[in-house]
Amino acid sequence: SQTIHQWPATLVQPVGSPLSLECTVEGTSNPNLYWYRQAAGRGLQLLFYSVGIGQISSEVPQNLSASRPQDRQFILSSKKLLLSDSGFYLCAYPTLAGGGGGYTFGSGTRLTVV
Amino acid sequence: QKEVEQNSGPLSVPEGAIASLNCTYSDRGSQSFFWYRQYSGKSPELIMSIYSNGDKEDGRFTAQLNKASQYVSLLIRDSQPSDSATYLCAGGTLNTNAGKSTFGDGTTLTVKP
Repeated sequence: SQTIHQWPATLVQPVGSPLSLECTVEGTSNPNLYWYRQAAGRGLQLLFYSVGIGQISSEVPQNLSASRPQDRQFILSSKKLLLSDSGFYLCAYPTLAGGGGGYTFGSGTRLTVV
Repeated sequence: QKEVEQNSGPLSVPEGAIASLNCTYSDRGSQSFFWYRQYSGKSPELIMSIYSNGDKEDGRFTAQLNKASQYVSLLIRDSQPSDSATYLCAGGTLNTNAGKSTFGDGTTLTVKP
């Protein structure tokens, strides 16, 4: 069966510090992978998606970057965090054949930038 | 205008009642629609998907899609306190666009015992 892992679960980081969030999936090969962010009380905003190793598409210009060094690994990074980077970061892969947006999400990382 | 809009909550219903959650979308190219349930502090969980006009039932949940009106809804029958959560509506396209989805801001449902 397919599983998705994210860590850490919570993170408090000072403004200007670097960030690295990791997501790994098991039980599937070469899945599409997505990073979403959820601000408090809001819906999910797509940040990056990847259709394969080394292939990253950015949806919004921002202070973040993503990488996919391995088939089942997706990393979200920042060199210098801003207060506005606070939020709930979610990694996802397609649940349904044919894609279309039905996802299974990881447990998420709650990031607070102070 | 947001691409996916949900009726502003919060929504409160008594236990055993029908909860009705509504969503409209602006992109006529959207082909697939999803409802997610998100408990406080947790990640969203996919509970319903619908692709064709009409109703789709799964247990106490019924999703309804009307592409002409660009309208999606979720009905929860015999609402239980455990249904209290935020419900997110999302729309996407099948087999294209890398399977991306656009989400609404969610409607928070409270079911009172």
